[in-house]
Amino acid sequence: KAGVTQTPRYLIKTRGQQVTLSCSPISGHRSVSWYQQTPGQGLQFLFEYFSETQRNKGNFPGRFSGRQFSNSRSEMNVSTLELGDSALYLCASSSLGEAPYEQYFGPGTRLTVT
Amino acid sequence: DAKTTQPNSMESNEEEPVHLPCNHSTISGTDYIHWYRQLPSQGPEYVIHGLTSNVNNRMASLAIAEDRKSSTLILHRATLRDAAVYYCILRDKETSGSRLTFGEGTQLTVNP
Repeated sequence: KAGVTQTPRYLIKTRGQQVTLSCSPISGHRSVSWYQQTPGQGLQFLFEYFSETQRNKGNFPGRFSGRQFSNSRSEMNVSTLELGDSALYLCASSSLGEAPYEQYFGPGTRLTVT
Repeated sequence: DAKTTQPNSMESNEEEPVHLPCNHSTISGTDYIHWYRQLPSQGPEYVIHGLTSNVNNRMASLAIAEDRKSSTLILHRATLRDAAVYYCILRDKETSGSRLTFGEGTQLTVNP
């Protein structure tokens, strides 16, 4: 089975621009979660989608949004980019969407905002 | 989710066992104990989880204290590939959704 894939792997954007990141979960997985990882804040939960509905949301401003498609693929969007948005964005998928299952993480998208 | 406390860093020698501790004194009865690790330049990887009893899988063993206020991840024979940040995470089974709350984890260094 193919793992979680994220595209693009690297991205450089300018402050004020917007960006869309994509995540393809493992086939059959219906839950997709997004995380932001920075050296200062560590790994922080952004949001989770399950069957095309946002089920959980972390403590991030409204500039961060996401969606999930009927094939479970997910995208996250960041509008009006700030320098502090530079981070590794990780996507994780799981099959059932309920504890205590395991989550499978993708390799991440490294976003640099200049 | 309840908070966990882990040492910032630990060192081990290759082919020796490693015991990674985690304290979770405020754990609730419905909290599962999960361990993930993150190798350099990769996303986190699931290692093991447990509720009350000790657990074994091909990667590691999880020893849970009788009062559940602490647990230990055991790597039986460390390899260089095991050098990673190890995260101990509590996850309430009554809470819907996939959210994981990561702490700072333990940076494991394996010496050849």
